[in-house]
Amino acid sequence: GQQVMQIPQYQHVQEGEDFTTYCNSSTTLSNIQWYKQRPGGHPVFLIQLVKSGEVKKQKRLTFQFGEAKKNSSLHITATQTTDVGTYFCAGVVPPNKLVFGAGTILRVKS
Amino acid sequence: GAVVSQHPSWVICKSGTSVKIECRSLDFQATTMFWYRQFPKQSLMLMATSNEGSKATYEQGVEKDKFLINHASLTLSTLTVTSAHPEDSSFYICSAREIFDNSPLHFGNGTRLTVT
Repeated sequence: GQQVMQIPQYQHVQEGEDFTTYCNSSTTLSNIQWYKQRPGGHPVFLIQLVKSGEVKKQKRLTFQFGEAKKNSSLHITATQTTDVGTYFCAGVVPPNKLVFGAGTILRVKS
Repeated sequence: GAVVSQHPSWVICKSGTSVKIECRSLDFQATTMFWYRQFPKQSLMLMATSNEGSKATYEQGVEKDKFLINHASLTLSTLTVTSAHPEDSSFYICSAREIFDNSPLHFGNGTRLTVT
């Protein structure tokens, strides 16, 4: 079936270091969405990318969508303790199903 | 912004009993709602798509007779876990999107189900 692979599974960084999580799909995606889930909480929508090669920024977060619309990345510059949580990518595959990646757990040491 | 309310937030029940979980879209209409299941430190697995006024669409491997879904109105979907067993213990999360396709999902707070 449709799969969205996400790596790494887990990352532990020192506060102030950068962090990146990557998603890769076996098929072309209509769009890709990113969510953040804090420990004990529910996923919260961060952003959606639709266009090939699109790059969007939200303060210290940079989101990219690959040219082939099969991969995406989320980069956090200078992590802070408030960034901790699990980051999920979710790709929209035909006909209109949202498939979640496995998620990347981010821990930040202060 | 769009809000999805899910109730209860946690429930403990005995084996063999049934549990109903409600998911409401508070400030928008949702013709489609989605039910996910999440095990600790794992991703969200889509269980079924709930369609207002019609039968739910279940993902492969999900028993429709065990996980009963009803979507009676544009703002309410319910998931009933029937004859619950300890292996059904999990975090169940509903979500809904506004009327436009590919609009982002708004998630409920989730329901932590523990079956003893």
